[in-house]
Formats: sequence, C-alpha cells, structure tokens
Amino acid sequence: LAKTTQPISMDSYEGQEVNITCSHNNIATNDYITWYQQFPSQGPRFIIQGYKTKVTNEVASLFIPADRKSSTLSLPRVSLSDTAVYYCLVGDGAGTALIFGKGTTLSVSS
Amino acid sequence: DAGVIQSPRHEVTEMGQEVTLRCKPISGHDYLFWYRQTMMRGLELLIYFNNNVPIDDSGMPEDRFSAKMPNASFSTLKIQPSEPRDSAVYFCASSRAGDKETQYFGPGTRLLVL
Repeated sequence: LAKTTQPISMDSYEGQEVNITCSHNNIATNDYITWYQQFPSQGPRFIIQGYKTKVTNEVASLFIPADRKSSTLSLPRVSLSDTAVYYCLVGDGAGTALIFGKGTTLSVSS
Repeated sequence: DAGVIQSPRHEVTEMGQEVTLRCKPISGHDYLFWYRQTMMRGLELLIYFNNNVPIDDSGMPEDRFSAKMPNASFSTLKIQPSEPRDSAVYFCASSRAGDKETQYFGPGTRLLVL
C-alpha cells in the first residue's frame, strides 16, 4: 500500500486560499489520489479524486505533478465552515483497502 | 438516495454486554466497510466486504469483534463482550465496484462502554 504523509495541522483566515500537500513517494502506476473531508461528529466525505495534472470541481482543485509523488488540495477562499480534517489517500480502486491516517486538521479563523 | 444508514446513532452499555451495530449500504454498492475512529488512533479500517463476502478482516482488533453481511442491504458489527476500550465512533461506508476510493460514509454510531 502506498503510504501518504501530510501535515498534522494548518491554520488560515477566512477568504484565503489554502493548499494542503500530501506526499506519496511510492504511489503505484494504477493508483488514484483521493481526498476526503471530515467535519466534527460526521463521517468523512469524498471531495475530489485525480490521477494526474489538475482536477477541479465545485469544492476544490487537485494538482498532481508529472511524477505523481505528491498532490496538493487547493481550497479557494476558505470560510469558517471549511474547518475540518482533510485526508489524502491513494489506491487503485480494486486492490487492497485504503488507509486513512490522521489527516490534516484545518482551522479557519475570522 | 437515502445514503448509508447506521443504527443506533448512540449506544451506552456496560462492560461485558453484547453490542450490535447495524448498517444499510447504498443500494447498488458492492463494497461495505466498517471503520472505528478514536482520538488516539484516528480512523481505522476494521473489515470490508465485497458482494457480501469478507475480503479483509485484518483490522478486527480481536475475537470479541465479529462482522456479518447476510445480504447486499444489511451488515452487522458485533462486540461480545464489550470493554471500555471499545468506546469509539464506528462508521460504515459503501462504494461501487471498481471504485473503492470513492466511499460514502454513514453518520456513525457513537459507542460508550462503561
């Protein structure tokens, strides 16, 4: 299983762009990169998934360099409601199950 | 779609009692996952099923834990006997075939063992 490393915590202010980087040096050829968001007292929620280059949806953007050894989740103009734990995972969709790890706790202040 | 349904949402029991947690996955999903979350250990995968068959139960802590999936729309996680260290939030999640990474989580069951 590809192991991921991400910062334990990050702080930001409302209206700023937040970038959370995840390292996955031993990502396999067939692995996708998936990010989840978890609010207190709720289950994790799928945010975005990508394989290479850039993916954008209504919530976030995901940037993946050519070597795919890292990825960056970008949250534009965060608000207080973006305060949550963000998890980075890699997997091929059919192989062994995912490991969530501790994630990155993002705190947004006014 | 109703999403993943879990019951009960909260459970308080005494040490030594049997606890049964229930999960109804999203219709049409082939994978079902049971997770446990605590502050100390984070989110841990306990077991997952594919088409009702247990695939990987290496995360099940010990013999006191057991999980079943008798049909595609129902799964249980049982703890017998329960211990205070089992106190945690237990999540059930489901996903479609070929896309295990896109998991849909239920609201969780918050278990407190006294």
